[in-house]
Amino acid sequence: AAGVIQSPRHLIKEKRETATLKCYPIPRHDTVYWYQQGPGQDPQFLISFYEKMQSDKGSIPDRFSAQQFSDYHSELNMSSLELGDSALYFCASSAADRGPKETQYFGPGTRLLVL
Amino acid sequence: AQTVTQSQPEMSVQEAETVTLSCTYDTSESNYYLFWYKQPPSRQMILVIRQEAYKQQNATENRFSVNFQKAAKSFSLKISDSQLGDTAMYFCAFMKGLSGGYQKVTFGTGTKLQVIP
Repeated sequence: AAGVIQSPRHLIKEKRETATLKCYPIPRHDTVYWYQQGPGQDPQFLISFYEKMQSDKGSIPDRFSAQQFSDYHSELNMSSLELGDSALYFCASSAADRGPKETQYFGPGTRLLVL
Repeated sequence: AQTVTQSQPEMSVQEAETVTLSCTYDTSESNYYLFWYKQPPSRQMILVIRQEAYKQQNATENRFSVNFQKAAKSFSLKISDSQLGDTAMYFCAFMKGLSGGYQKVTFGTGTKLQVIP
């Protein structure tokens, strides 16, 4: 079965640079979620989109922005990168129009290292 | 706000034995979902099992089963016949069951399980 695709899988950036992470949900999934997992930590919710509209917002820094496009893929844009942004960034998708019973399926993650 | 607590940072079990991972949560919601996710060294987040709060019957998936005690807000994971491939970090997670399915998942801090040959 098709899974959530994230690109790139690994990314190395310098401080103050910009990064763009992409997420392609499972086909027919209309909702995308972004999570950040720091070293040795549990994943923390950043933001979610349902039908291309922001549906919820968590602890996402103002330096970050995200959107969902007409084909349901999503991009997380990160500017003025800081050392503390080094983390594993997960994207998850679900078919929210079928209700909350729908499980979120996670992508493999993008490992971002800020030097 | 919901909180998920995993009080066992690390556990180990002999291969073929049974191990139970603990999880408690706190919520004022009456409708919600609970999950156990597994994160092996590859760091892929893999769904192990899920439980709907309105269901009294405990969920099972092959060697994995849960003990869901709603009144006590407890949700433990039992792994039977442990295998080396079960070595991973296990996260207990909570999701509200409100209308409009786009609900975030709140994770516990994880339990690192080591299966010993």
